[in-house]
Amino acid sequence: QVRLVQSGAEVKRPGASVKVSCKASGYNFIDYTLHWVRQAPGQGLEWLGWIDRDSGKIQYSQKFQGRLTITRDTYATTAYMELSRLISEDTAVYFCAREGQTSGWYEGCDYWGQGAPVTVSS
Amino acid sequence: DIVMTQSPLSLPVTPGEPASISCRSSQSLLHRNGNNYLDWYLQKPGHSPQLLIYFASNRASGVPDRFSGSGSGTDFTLKISRVEAEDVGVYYCMQALQPPRTFGPGTKVEIK
Repeated sequence: QVRLVQSGAEVKRPGASVKVSCKASGYNFIDYTLHWVRQAPGQGLEWLGWIDRDSGKIQYSQKFQGRLTITRDTYATTAYMELSRLISEDTAVYFCAREGQTSGWYEGCDYWGQGAPVTVSS
Repeated sequence: DIVMTQSPLSLPVTPGEPASISCRSSQSLLHRNGNNYLDWYLQKPGHSPQLLIYFASNRASGVPDRFSGSGSGTDFTLKISRVEAEDVGVYYCMQALQPPRTFGPGTKVEIK
C-alpha cells in the first residue's frame, strides 16, 4: 500500500538549517508530484512547494524562496525538504503529501506523511 | 496569491444532523479544462490531513457518501448529510489552480 514515512522530530537553534525526509513506498515514485506543507502550533496549513513528478522541476512558495530547498532521490524513493536560516516562526509540523493523478488528471493530495515536528529554539 | 476564506470558522454539530461549510476564493478556480481546482481536506485531532473532495465535487477514494462538494468559480460548499462523531476535526479548503497553493483558515467541527 502507499506509504509516506517522514523523519523524526528535530530541535534546532535559530539560524541553523533542518532537513526533513519523506520516504515513499507502494507506488512508482516518479509518477507523482510531491508537495510539502507545514502547520505551526495551533495554526492552519501552509504550502511550501512541490517537486514535479516527471521533470523533477521544483516550485517554491515565494515566501520561502532562497531559504527552502526541495530535492528527491529517485533511487531511494525519498524526497527532502531543507529549510535554512531558521527562525522561531519556523516551528511547525512539516508534512509531505502525494498529489494523486490518473493519466495526468489531478486527484488531490491523496496520501500524506505522518508529519515531522521541527522546533526552533535558543 | 489566491486568498481562500471559509465560514463558519467554528461549527457545533449534532450527530445525525446535516452540516455545511462554505469556502470562497479571491479569483475563479475554474480551469479552461472545465474543472474547478478546489479540494477539501479534513484534519482529525492529532492526525495528518486527509483528502475528502477534489475538483470541487469528486469524492476521494474511500470517503463516505455522506460527504459532498459543490460549487463553481469562487463559491464552494462542503456538505455532510448526517454528521457522525468521527467527523470532528478541522476542515480546510485548498485551491490547486496555481502556485502557491493556498488553504482556507479552517472550520473546526465539534459535537454539541
